[in-house]
Amino acid sequence: AQSVTQLGSHVSVSEGALVLLRCNYSSSVPPYLFWYVQYPNQGLQLLLKYTTGATLVKGINGFEAEFKKSETSFHLTKPSAHMSDAAEYFCAVSDSGGYQKVTFGIGTKLQVIP
Amino acid sequence: GAVVSQHPSRVICKSGTSVKIECRSLDFQATTMFWYRQFPKQSLMLMATSNEGSKATYEQGVEKDKFLINHASLTLSTLTVTSAHPEDSSFYICSAPAGGQLHEGNIQYFGAGTRLSVL
Repeated sequence: AQSVTQLGSHVSVSEGALVLLRCNYSSSVPPYLFWYVQYPNQGLQLLLKYTTGATLVKGINGFEAEFKKSETSFHLTKPSAHMSDAAEYFCAVSDSGGYQKVTFGIGTKLQVIP
Repeated sequence: GAVVSQHPSRVICKSGTSVKIECRSLDFQATTMFWYRQFPKQSLMLMATSNEGSKATYEQGVEKDKFLINHASLTLSTLTVTSAHPEDSSFYICSAPAGGQLHEGNIQYFGAGTRLSVL
C-alpha cells in the first residue's frame, strides 16, 4: 500500500522568496515519485518525477525536488517564487513495479504575495 | 509531448439524466486509462481503471452501474454518469500512461478535466 502526506494545505510566500512544499510518502517497494501542478479549472501538469538514479531532480518552471529515502520525503522547492507559480501542487507516488496506479496527496495551494 | 484530450470541459445537466465524458489519447495508444474524481478542496481519487477490450476495474466504493466505462479503442475511453444526481457534481479527470518506454516510469498524461454540475 502507498500513501502520500503533504504538510500544509495552504502555503503563502512573497514574490521572490523561496518556495518549499513538503511531501512525505510511504511505500512498501521502491517508489516512483511525482509532483504535479494544477491551475484553476485545468487538468494536472507534470512538474517533475523521480524514478531511479540521481536523487535531485529538476523540473519545469525552475522547480526541483530531492528524493531522500532515509526521510521518506520528496519536498518541492523553487529558489524564487513568481506570481505565475500560484496554483495547487500535488505530490504523488506509484509502485515502480506496478507501473500505472498513482496515489495522490491532498494537495497544497500555493499563494504568491506581490 | 503526449496529449490527452477530454471532452466536454464543462457540463450542466438536470438530475436524472446521463452524461458521457470522453477521453482521447491524441498521439499515442493507451491500453489503459484512468478516471479520477476531484471534490472541492480535495485530492484526486481514483475511480476506475479502464482497460481496452475488457471490463473496467473499479475502486472500492465506486458504483460500476452508476459510472459506466467503455474503452472501445486504443485511443478512446468514455465515462458515463448514469442518472446523475447533485451529489455526482464534481471535477472528473482522465489520464493515460505513456507506455512503451521503460525509462519514462509511471508518467501519466492528464486530460484538462470535466466539471459536472447536476441541478
